[in-house]
Amino acid sequence: KNEVEQSPQNLTAQEGEFITINCSYSVGISALHWLQQHPGGGIVSLFMLSSGKKKHGRLIATINIQEKHSSLHITASHPRDSAVYICALAGNQFYFGTGTSLTVIP
Amino acid sequence: DGGITQSPKYLFRKEGQNVTLSCEQNLNHDAMYWYRQDPGQGLRLIYYSQIVNDFQKGDIAEGYSVSREKKESFPLTVTSAQKNPTAFYLCASSIGPWETQYFGPGTRLLVL
Repeated sequence: KNEVEQSPQNLTAQEGEFITINCSYSVGISALHWLQQHPGGGIVSLFMLSSGKKKHGRLIATINIQEKHSSLHITASHPRDSAVYICALAGNQFYFGTGTSLTVIP
Repeated sequence: DGGITQSPKYLFRKEGQNVTLSCEQNLNHDAMYWYRQDPGQGLRLIYYSQIVNDFQKGDIAEGYSVSREKKESFPLTVTSAQKNPTAFYLCASSIGPWETQYFGPGTRLLVL
């Protein structure tokens, strides 16, 4: 069973490009989280969303509760954005997507 | 400096051995979690604790054990009953259950 699906699985972009990563889910949630995992393995929480849109620097996250869909956008992408981005659902426990591996080429 | 630490970074285990992974946080968080990450798979919950002296099994608790004797500490023991323990183990904490989680740097366990 896959409560959460991310797309694409892998993404390569040129520096400066606008990037979108998608997350669709099938269960009821109290919030949706976007996480960033760097090559060394450490994970950082980027956003927690329960509705609407949030922005932090060049990162924007949106969620549509009715459509059970969230997107993470990166504007003016940079090589340091290269990481795995993980969508996680918070309900009665956490459900994690398998992640989107992003590589930004200079 | 507030944060969550895990040790060791790399751990080697012989078959049949129990090993304990350390997780410590000084964020004053009530909830703590252990996850396992395998290549190509999402994080999977092993155990979680919402308060001292209490913990619950996650999706893949078989072959693992935990304790929560102190708020700051949530060690995970990988027992010999865990048939495929080679993986990356991540500990996390949050103020309350299932809120924004802060992750440790992880421990890579390799069975020899």
